[in-house]
Amino acid sequence: KAGVTQTPRYLIKTRGQQVTLSCSPISGHRSVSWYQQTPGQGLQFLFEYFSETQRNKGNFPGRFSGRQFSNSRSEMNVSTLELGDSALYLCASSIGTSGTQETQYFGPGTRLLVL
Amino acid sequence: AQSVTQLGSHVSVSEGALVLLRCNYSSSVPPYLFWYVQYPNQGLQLLLKYTSAATLVKGINGFEAEFKKSETSFHLTKPSAHMSDAAEYFCAINDYKLSFGAGTTVTVRA
Repeated sequence: KAGVTQTPRYLIKTRGQQVTLSCSPISGHRSVSWYQQTPGQGLQFLFEYFSETQRNKGNFPGRFSGRQFSNSRSEMNVSTLELGDSALYLCASSIGTSGTQETQYFGPGTRLLVL
Repeated sequence: AQSVTQLGSHVSVSEGALVLLRCNYSSSVPPYLFWYVQYPNQGLQLLLKYTSAATLVKGINGFEAEFKKSETSFHLTKPSAHMSDAAEYFCAINDYKLSFGAGTTVTVRA
């Protein structure tokens, strides 16, 4: 099976702009989670989508949003970019129906640089 | 809320030596614990996971971890380090989202 794919891999934006990142999960996986990784804060959970509905949400401002399509592909959007949004954004997919023992499989990430 | 703490942000070992990475957890319910590895400019790769079936869990690349409830620990070990083990390692606990430790960077000396 193909793994989790994320596009684009690298992105440079300026403050105030918005950005959309895309994630395609492993075939058959219905849950997609997003994480932000920075040197200062480490790995932090953004949100999780399952069957096109946000099922869980982390402690991020409303500038961070996401959605999931009927084919389980997911996008996340960050509006009004700030310098502190520079990070590696990781997407992970899982089956979505086996609770907390499920393994999440990660994509290669999108590295966002905000200037 | 469930959480994990990784002791030691950086570990340096000689090639062929034991690798020991420490992780302690905090949870009011039986935890599901994971170890992931991240190589430079890559995503996270699952090494192994604990789901209560067995306290000693074997993973990929010769790594294993032992769940000790009395010590609330889930330390990761590899008997003999290889140059290719140089990476960052993360312990995580699943509480309907993954909560990660701060990570431990492993360097391997020739």
